[in-house]
This record gives sequence, structure tokens and C-alpha cells, in this order.
Amino acid sequence: GAGVSQSPSNKVTEKGKDVELRCDPISGHTALYWYRQRLGQGLEFLIYFQGNSAPDKSGLPSDRFSAERTGESVSTLTIQRTQQEDSAVYLCASSFRTAEKLFFGSGTQLSVL
Amino acid sequence: SQQGEEDPQALSIQEGENATMNCSYKTSINNLQWYRQNSGRGLVHLILIRSNEREKHSGRLRVTLDTSKKSSSLLITASRAADTASYFCATAPYNTDKLIFGTGTRLQVFP
Repeated sequence: GAGVSQSPSNKVTEKGKDVELRCDPISGHTALYWYRQRLGQGLEFLIYFQGNSAPDKSGLPSDRFSAERTGESVSTLTIQRTQQEDSAVYLCASSFRTAEKLFFGSGTQLSVL
Repeated sequence: SQQGEEDPQALSIQEGENATMNCSYKTSINNLQWYRQNSGRGLVHLILIRSNEREKHSGRLRVTLDTSKKSSSLLITASRAADTASYFCATAPYNTDKLIFGTGTRLQVFP
């Protein structure tokens, strides 16, 4: 596809379960970002990948959160032992140039019951 | 933590009026961008202004940047009902590769 693709679009899980969210960036985009957006709020930076460089993990809220990306391909965001406070929309974005003109996916709505 | 804050938090206007949103940020930046988010989820990039630029135009959009005051404004002229959305500023802090988003302005344009 031509855009950033995220899956699943919706995920309902029970407290304590692990979840894995997937992001397919636009082909050729070397930069990839993950954000979290709670209802009615702004975007909270989580993690950033640039090519094969070490990722900037400074926004990850706890050690329950981790993300991987192989080269310039798919990225996965994993949340272990989910808590109700993790409920939010998780947005992925990619860009050709670092920190310029991000293209966003439609997000994954995560609901932790 | 949020780098930018938008003002006002919410704005309601009639079609045809102009809408002005402001963004303040905290640290030196490489560029500042504005994004739009409809009631769905994805954000769409509107315009980018670099730290050495003071004003930029794109269609009905006009963006200004004052680095001495660490502030920016987005003006939408001749607004339309379809402009109803949330608008976010995003800053690329100097010497980092992050893009940090503000708190957003919810714009409602009544027909």
C-alpha cells in the first residue's frame, strides 16, 4: 500500500496480558516513530527509529514497553502485563527525512479491561 | 513531557471567518510543523517552517514563527465546515531527532 499501515485497528485485552502492535511504514522511509494518544489529549512520544542506528527509547513510560524494527521495515510495539492506564490509541508514523513531514497510520485503539 | 502548548484549547467560528491558533514551545528547534487530526485517528501534515524562516504560506494556511518568543501561529483564512478538526503543532528540538507534539486546538467551524 501507499500509506503507513497499522494492525490491528482495535485490540481489546484483559489486564495482565501482553499485546503486540504492528506498523508497516512507507517504503523508503528510514525514520519511524511511535506515539501514544490518550482520549482527548495530545500525542506522547514513545520511541524513534532511524535506519540501523540505535533507537531513541527515551519516551517509553516503563520497562513493560518495548519496540523493535529490523532495518527500514516493519516495527512492532510490545506492551507486557498490560494495565488499564495503557488504554489509548497507539500511532505509528514514518518519514523520509528525520523529524520532517511525518506520515501517520490510522492507529491501534487499545482497550485494557 | 509536552514541548508545545496550543492556545486556545478550543475554538468555534462561523464558515468564512478566519481561525488563528497559537503554539508556544520551550527549547531551541530545527523546525516547527502543524498537523491536523480529524475525528478518526491519523494525523495529516499541513506545513513545515524552519527555524530561519519567519512566515510561510500554503493555500489558505499562513504560519508564522518567532524564535525569540518561542511561539508560532497558524492562520486558516476563509474557513470551511470541512476544516473542523484538531490542530497540533510539533517541534523538532535542536540536536535531537524527536518530533514533539503539543496539546492541540479543537476547531469547530459552523456552516
